[in-house]
Amino acid sequence: ETGVTQTPRHLVMGMTNKKSLKCEQHLGHNAMYWYKQSAKKPLELMFVYNFKEQTENNSVPSRFSPECPNSSHLFLHLHTLQPEDSALYLCASSPRTSGIETQYFGPGTRLLVL
Amino acid sequence: SQQGEEDPQALSIQEGENATMNCSYKTSINNLQWYRQNSGRGLVHLILIRSNEREKHSGRLRVTLDTSKKSSSLLITASRAADTASYFCATVLLYSGGGADGLTFGKGTHLIIQP
Repeated sequence: ETGVTQTPRHLVMGMTNKKSLKCEQHLGHNAMYWYKQSAKKPLELMFVYNFKEQTENNSVPSRFSPECPNSSHLFLHLHTLQPEDSALYLCASSPRTSGIETQYFGPGTRLLVL
Repeated sequence: SQQGEEDPQALSIQEGENATMNCSYKTSINNLQWYRQNSGRGLVHLILIRSNEREKHSGRLRVTLDTSKKSSSLLITASRAADTASYFCATVLLYSGGGADGLTFGKGTHLIIQP
């Protein structure tokens, strides 16, 4: 069982809806990440936060909006999504930075956009 | 862009046999990590090998790294039904300014252990 939780675990939304995914880590880590896992594609890094500051936006469309109010919480706000955005969204955390870091993943939110 | 690429994409073996998965990558790395993912779940870290290491063991897992060939292998010995999962290699991207590092994953090897 990991120290990273994600809610909700499953989400179905229409293209005009607005929803948010939540991630919380109980490991005292300072870096948090959002990844997207689509069928038959590698996991894609979306956003990286280090000490609450966004250090990477991996060319993600603006319909995905991250928020990191503190080092323990990470949100992904969703609006006007497309069906191709249906995927498993994974949150991860790591102690900090600089290369030699194991990442700890949450169970993911399975998102279906209709 | 995709950094790691696992081979084979799928592997089915009998329980008790050894399973070997390979990973190739394109650019220089700080370290390479292997993760396991059970169907539709989060990833679990298995083992990390640094760029100055050639081999590492953890229980029934053995990982090798050949930086000259930009490749790694994961060996699972005496496989069990519970080892059925997808296995991914991941490399560490290095951002300028010492920011947090995201992982770059391959597509994974789907391993099935037949009882």
